[in-house]
Formats: sequence, structure tokens, C-alpha cells
Amino acid sequence: ILNVEQSPQSLHVQEGDSTNFTCSFPSSNFYALHWYRWETAKSPEALFVMTLNGDEKKKGRISATLNTKEGYSYLYIKGSQPEDSATYLCAPPQGSARQLTFGSGTQLTVLP
Amino acid sequence: DVKVTQSSRYLVKRTGEKVFLECVQDMDHENMFWYRQDPGLGLRLIYFSYDVKMKEKGDIPEGYSVSREKKERFSLILESASTNQTSMYLCASSLRLAGVPIYEQYFGPGTRLTVT
Repeated sequence: ILNVEQSPQSLHVQEGDSTNFTCSFPSSNFYALHWYRWETAKSPEALFVMTLNGDEKKKGRISATLNTKEGYSYLYIKGSQPEDSATYLCAPPQGSARQLTFGSGTQLTVLP
Repeated sequence: DVKVTQSSRYLVKRTGEKVFLECVQDMDHENMFWYRQDPGLGLRLIYFSYDVKMKEKGDIPEGYSVSREKKERFSLILESASTNQTSMYLCASSLRLAGVPIYEQYFGPGTRLTVT
């Protein structure tokens, strides 16, 4: 089973703060790295699918970068809002490339 | 909008019962997945299917089986439910391209199963 590490495990920030968290994964046999946001009582929703080393994607105040050579991705949230409170999951593919392996997530709480 | 639906939001079953969890997607996706989510463990893949009647084991298939007779429907079966199968079960679907998971997965609302 692929070793996917997300840090920190949980995070509390004040509204308006910017924050970032990390996803680490083995750099061999890379195909794509997925980021999902999972709000309480809702279904996980895809934020980004990143495929190229050096890729940078942005959706509103959220952005992500990818380094496939060293095996990590950063997710940034600029000016956090209470509605950003969620668990953020990253998922690189397993060796077979047909399935993802999810990290245990970073639980973000944005305090008003 | 992609829609993935699951047959029940909450389910309570007794130990030893046979349990069926149903998932239906309406976007003609080739791939379908069953995950379970437990506190502190994230999403763990039980089984997935990349085509009708095709299935592959995920990371934790023990105690489970699946069925995919139609493209839009993927069923998870607990042959004899046990208390350690109490969990949140999520179904997901995605497009498929040559077996490479570059397409996002769309998740259903989840079924919280309690086995007593």
C-alpha cells in the first residue's frame, strides 16, 4: 500500500489568515495527484487533479503546487474563511495507476 | 451535474446478516469505487470496477464482495456482517482513460452502517 502522508493532521486558523498544508508521496511511477475537500455532512469534492511536475492550479482563493521529483504537493488557502473549514485529502495513484490512495487528510477549522 | 446516489444514508443491521449497499451514477462513467471511512484512517478502497462485470480488489477487500451487472450500478455486499464493518461507506465514479486515474472522482453522500 502506498505511503501517503499529510501534515498537519489538523489546523485551526483565524478568519483572514492564509495557510498551507503538505501531501507527501513516493515519487516513483507518478501519474497524477488529486486534492479533495470534504466538508462535514457532505460528499468529498474534487479540487484539483495535477499531472505535471511544477504544475500549479488555482480555484478562487485555493491553489496547489506539485513536485513529482521529490514527491510532495502543497495546498494553499489565501485569506481563509469559515466556509473553508473542511478536511482536505490528497490522493496519488497506487502503482497499478488504476486506483487512488487517499491520505488521512488535514482537518482545517477557520475561526470567525 | 454528475450525480452519484446511494441507496441508504443510515443502515442498522445485525451481526451475521447479509447486507447490500447500492450505488448508482448517471454520467456513464466507466470506473466505480467503494470506500470506507473510519476516524483517523481516511478513505480506504474496498473494491473498484473499471467496466461491467469487471472488478478488482482494493486495499481492504476481506469480508466484502461486489457486483457490477450494469454500467451505472455498483453494489457492495457484506456476506455476513460483523461489528468491525461498522463504518461510513462511500461510493464514487469517474471516467477512465487507459487505466490512468487522471479524472476526478465523484462521490455519493455515503451510507453510515451500524452492525450490532
